Amino acid sequence: EPEVTQTPSHQVTQMGQEVILRCVPISNHLYFYWYRQILGQKVEFLVSFYNNEISEKSEIFDDQFSVERPDGSNFTLKIRSTKLEDSAMYFCASKRQGNGEQYFGPGTRLTVT
Amino acid sequence: GQQVMQIPQYQHVQEGEDFTTYCNSSTTLSNIQWYKQRPGGHPVFLIQLVKSGEVKKQKRLTFQFGEAKKNSSLHITATQTTDVGTYFCAGRVYGNKLVFGAGTILRVKS
Repeated sequence: EPEVTQTPSHQVTQMGQEVILRCVPISNHLYFYWYRQILGQKVEFLVSFYNNEISEKSEIFDDQFSVERPDGSNFTLKIRSTKLEDSAMYFCASKRQGNGEQYFGPGTRLTVT
Repeated sequence: GQQVMQIPQYQHVQEGEDFTTYCNSSTTLSNIQWYKQRPGGHPVFLIQLVKSGEVKKQKRLTFQFGEAKKNSSLHITATQTTDVGTYFCAGRVYGNKLVFGAGTILRVKS
């Protein structure tokens, strides 16, 4: 069964450094998402991406964040200058149709020290 | 902004007992989805409800969407140890943004 994959599974970085989290959505899916989940808390929407552009973003998704679909398969989240409070699990998700179910990847645990 | 409240935060039941979690949105939803997240895992889609008053069943799980499309519930009959995890509702008002509830952690004693 096709699945969303994410790399790395765990990333440790120093405050102020840039990180890129990578996702490979399911191949025939058209909508892509990033969410984050701080340990023990709820899943928070960051951004949605469709037709090669951001369709929605949350207030969390400030100028420090950016997303890119550099080729036909990868979907990346970049954090330019990480802060301690960026430490969280970051989930990528994709879906085929506008009103369909979202498939989540296994997540990347980001630890900012 | 839009908020989705979910209660209870935590429920610990004896195996075989029933379990219910409730969601309430501050605004009318176009649809609501339910996800299950096992400890250390990622959210896994369970179901989507779209119509006012809709009720859907998946084996021992029953999902309801309120008439006003502002609240929803998930009921598990006769819980099993495999039901453990966190159950999240996620509501959509419009567009692609899903707003997740805080989740209900279910623990089942055998």
